[in-house]
Amino acid sequence: AQSVAQPEDQVNVAEGNPLTVKCTYSVSGNPYLFWYVQYPNRGLQFLLKYITGDNLVKGSYGFEAEFNKSQTSFHLKKPSALVSDSALYFCAVRVGGNQGGKLIFGQGTELSVKP
Amino acid sequence: GAVVSQHPSRVICKSGTSVKIECRSLDFQATTMFWYRQFPKQSLMLMATSNEGSKATYEQGVEKDKFLINHASLTLSTLTVTSAHPEDSSFYICSARAGTSGRANEQFFGPGTRLTVL
Repeated sequence: AQSVAQPEDQVNVAEGNPLTVKCTYSVSGNPYLFWYVQYPNRGLQFLLKYITGDNLVKGSYGFEAEFNKSQTSFHLKKPSALVSDSALYFCAVRVGGNQGGKLIFGQGTELSVKP
Repeated sequence: GAVVSQHPSRVICKSGTSVKIECRSLDFQATTMFWYRQFPKQSLMLMATSNEGSKATYEQGVEKDKFLINHASLTLSTLTVTSAHPEDSSFYICSARAGTSGRANEQFFGPGTRLTVL
């Protein structure tokens, strides 16, 4: 079955430190991977995606993610965390094709950035 | 661009009543819309996928007679929770995907609707 997993329920970092939110995937064929952020009682905001091309993908708000095929991972990173980055982060994989298909989400990781 | 709205943002209803939630793509045509359900601090669970003008495709375990989905136009989809019960209380999020080639990969999310059934 095609799926995506986020092994950490919560990640705590100090402001100014680098952050990493982990994601691993299991898909057949080429993966189409996404990261979204959700603030309390809000919908999801798109951060970045990997479809093809460079393994390092740069997205919104200074976030980036590295696609690693051998490790089947797509970890989200940011060099210097902000308190305002505190939110719920979801990794997702599109199944059923790139032009069609549907998004399957990981269980989410709550990021807490302390001053 | 690429804004998806939901109405209402919050609704409280009595058990046994039906509630309709609207999802609109404001600045693009959405050939496909998705409805998700989310419990507190949990992931989004896909309920159904709807294509404009055709019947929705429901995920396994989702009662189609309970959660009625209509996608009557390229900018509007509705989810009706029929005979709502307290266990239907949840955060419902819609998502829309454009049919034009330039945005065919993108899926945009609405702000969500908090349903509370008393």
